[in-house]
Amino acid sequence: DSGVTQTPKHLITATGQRVTLRCSPRSGDLSVYWYQQSLDQGLQFLIQYYNGEERAKGNILERFSAQQFPDLHSELNLSSLELGDSALYFCASSAQSIQSTDTQYFGPGTRLTVL
Amino acid sequence: DAKTTQPPSMDCAEGRAANLPCNHSTISGNEYVYWYRQIHSQGPQYIIHGLKNNETNEMASLIITEDRKSSTLILPHATLRDTAVYYCIVRAHHGSGNTGKLIFGQGTTLQVKP
Repeated sequence: DSGVTQTPKHLITATGQRVTLRCSPRSGDLSVYWYQQSLDQGLQFLIQYYNGEERAKGNILERFSAQQFPDLHSELNLSSLELGDSALYFCASSAQSIQSTDTQYFGPGTRLTVL
Repeated sequence: DAKTTQPPSMDCAEGRAANLPCNHSTISGNEYVYWYRQIHSQGPQYIIHGLKNNETNEMASLIITEDRKSSTLILPHATLRDTAVYYCIVRAHHGSGNTGKLIFGQGTTLQVKP
């Protein structure tokens, strides 16, 4: 158990819909990362938040957005869903401070199926 | 971040040591070598990381060559539960403009056989 939690575990929805994925980082971790894993693309970095602020963007579509709340949990919002958005979505967290390790620990993921 | 090259697949007999190689010839001086594994669609699991020196923890050992252009992850006594995709990643830590994001390649699929 990494200490990172993600909900829901599975999500099945239809094209055009909007969903929200939730991530709670390990206690004390300030940084949250979102990754997408699809069959044809492998694991890809989407976006990073650090202490509530967006820190970096990767291959994230404009239909996707994220935020990190004051209690440090994060949500990934996916809208106007397409069949190709079906994938595993992972959240990772790290302490990302000078005094501590920068290792990222991953949650169990949310499997999104768009029908 | 530097790129890595790993063999696509390897087999290992149960109880034997599994040695997984990784080439990272363009690694920079401030980049660490990280190893993660992913067991069948579960979240990637952190294994070990190092900068220059060899490292060992309860899961594995990491051997980094003196020129840092390659490394080997060693699972000393592989079990069936070690069957997974193993990812070698090089990255700089937070700071100096680095975000710390992980760039995953295709990894090595390790099959541990009875």
